[in-house]
Amino acid sequence: LAKTTQPISMDSYEGQEVNITCSHNNIATNDYITWYQQFPSQGPRFIIQGYKTKVTNEVASLFIPADRKSSTLSLPRVSLSDTAVYYCLVGDNYRSGYSTLTFGKGTMLLVSP
Amino acid sequence: ETGVTQTPRHLVMGMTNKKSLKCEQHLGHNAMYWYKQSAKKPLELMFVYSLEERVENNSVPSRFSPECPNSSHLFLHLHTLQPEDSALYLCASSQRQGRGKTEAFFGQGTRLTVV
Repeated sequence: LAKTTQPISMDSYEGQEVNITCSHNNIATNDYITWYQQFPSQGPRFIIQGYKTKVTNEVASLFIPADRKSSTLSLPRVSLSDTAVYYCLVGDNYRSGYSTLTFGKGTMLLVSP
Repeated sequence: ETGVTQTPRHLVMGMTNKKSLKCEQHLGHNAMYWYKQSAKKPLELMFVYSLEERVENNSVPSRFSPECPNSSHLFLHLHTLQPEDSALYLCASSQRQGRGKTEAFFGQGTRLTVV
């Protein structure tokens, strides 16, 4: 897996847009970028995945510049329930029949009233 | 609901006890995983099973013993644990969707406390 760097923590207020950037300078040609969300005492949950340009779903948007060396997860109008840890993963370290997904420390997003 | 179910959600056990954690998925995935997450630490990959065969064991002590009887079920047998083994244990399954593209589905986890 390509090494990723993301902020340890971010603070926001309800109703604001939050952008979390992840750096991945050594991303490989075939690697996709995937973001997961984890609430306390729960397993991570897939949010969004993309390869290039922009991907949008009902939860978030993912912006990937042309050089793909970074990506930005955008959460529109956050609420208190968006308080969680957000992980950026690049690629899937595929072996013979399985992937080994390695999670870093992630970004702890705290949303306040 | 992710399609991956773990039981129990909470477990308190003594250091001399034997217990088992159970994970079940009916997503048709061919890979299953055990992760450990200690307080304020990243997820640590413990074991990987691919097509019911253990393919990775990341230097996990022998007091943790995994079992995968079929592609839908995964167990983690615990015996003579230490207090430092207290953590959130997460099961996941995955199916590769293409080169460099895998999505993992996690269970809710088992919060284990060793006393």
